[in-house]
Amino acid sequence: NAGVTQTPKFRVLKTGQSMTLLCAQDMNHEYMYWYRQDPGMGLRLIHYSVGEGTTAKGEVPDGYNVSRLKKQNFLLGLESAAPSQTSVYFCASSSLGQGANEQYFGPGTRLTVT
Amino acid sequence: AQRVTQPEKLLSVFKGAPVELKCNYSYSGSPELFWYVQYSRQRLQLLLRHISRESIKGFTADLNKGETSFHLKKPFAQEEDSAMYYCALSSTGGFKTIFGAGTRLFVKA
Repeated sequence: NAGVTQTPKFRVLKTGQSMTLLCAQDMNHEYMYWYRQDPGMGLRLIHYSVGEGTTAKGEVPDGYNVSRLKKQNFLLGLESAAPSQTSVYFCASSSLGQGANEQYFGPGTRLTVT
Repeated sequence: AQRVTQPEKLLSVFKGAPVELKCNYSYSGSPELFWYVQYSRQRLQLLLRHISRESIKGFTADLNKGETSFHLKKPFAQEEDSAMYYCALSSTGGFKTIFGAGTRLFVKA
């Protein structure tokens, strides 16, 4: 099993450009999450999904949109990138029930917005 | 408010010395506490959780509800313990997790 994978690994954008980050998991997990990791601030939840076709806002959702059209995929979109969105983005997933709060992480995507 | 506080951004110890990474939390309810670790060039992964009461890679953590703390300890640090450590909290049976800001542990030879 590949676990949680993220595409791309690195990306440089200019202010105002758009892009989509793809997260895929092969563990049949119900829950998926997008975090951003910034120095001194830890991981902050951007958006999450409790199942196919559902999404919800996390702690820092502004400037991002998400979609979960298939259970195994969770897409994070930046419609108009800003330098403040320079960060490392992590996708994670977790299962239902007792294992719901143990999260499995992807390798991360390093995004730079100039 | 729900919050996880890791007061040290960087902790540097010598190999063989004891190490303690501090974690305090604020939560109105019954929390589950975790430690996640991120080694260089690796993904974030679960190290241990308080309900399992395990010792993983020589690390232990005890939940102190009175002091609302969940400090991570190891009696003899090794160079391979150098990593970023995150304390995290979720509600019992819940799925959303709150992470602390992280502590970078550097174990010197």
